Amino acid sequence: GNSVTQMEGPVTLSEEAFLTINCTYTATGYPSLFWYVQYPGEGLQLLLKATKADDKGSNKGFEATYRKETTSFHLEKGSVQVSDSAVYFCALSAPSYKLIFGSGTRLLVRP
Amino acid sequence: DVKVTQSSRYLVKRTGEKVFLECVQDMDHENMFWYRQDPGLGLRLIYFSYDVKMKEKGDIPEGYSVSREKKERFSLILESASTNQTSMYLCASTPVGTSGSLYEQYFGPGTRLTVT
Repeated sequence: GNSVTQMEGPVTLSEEAFLTINCTYTATGYPSLFWYVQYPGEGLQLLLKATKADDKGSNKGFEATYRKETTSFHLEKGSVQVSDSAVYFCALSAPSYKLIFGSGTRLLVRP
Repeated sequence: DVKVTQSSRYLVKRTGEKVFLECVQDMDHENMFWYRQDPGLGLRLIYFSYDVKMKEKGDIPEGYSVSREKKERFSLILESASTNQTSMYLCASTPVGTSGSLYEQYFGPGTRLTVT
């Protein structure tokens, strides 16, 4: 069945460091891929998305490229800020408008 | 902007109580979802609804039921709360369409439920 695997956290970085959060997926067909972010005390909000192979989603300095050959959608940011501290979820689309989520990766950025 | 609201941010209930969690969305979305979020497990789908009075079980429906009498409102019901239902509950909605981007789900702020 369809599934998403994320790297375990927490990921702890200093401000201005480079961020990579790995996400790989298993799916039949051609799903859309998403990264959601959850700030402390809040619900999830969409960070970026990609709907087909080789698409690059980007938002707020974050990027992720839909790699069909490696079934990956890794999240990257060149220079993280303290305000990026949050939990990040990778997700893929499934039939009936459902999403399948990874287990989430907590990011902590220290000043 | 799409707005999804949930009736409570924090809720404390006793074992055996009947618990209602309410979710309302203001964008006329057909699809609505209830998830629970637990550390290390991510989001797990409890139930979803693709139309008024229509519902389908998700991955973990046991101990829960739902109600959708109006398009904008989707309720999650814990018939007899148990301590293992202590969790964060998230509601989401999404419109119907054929574009992949319409799989984007809009989430409410969550209800942190503690069952003692």
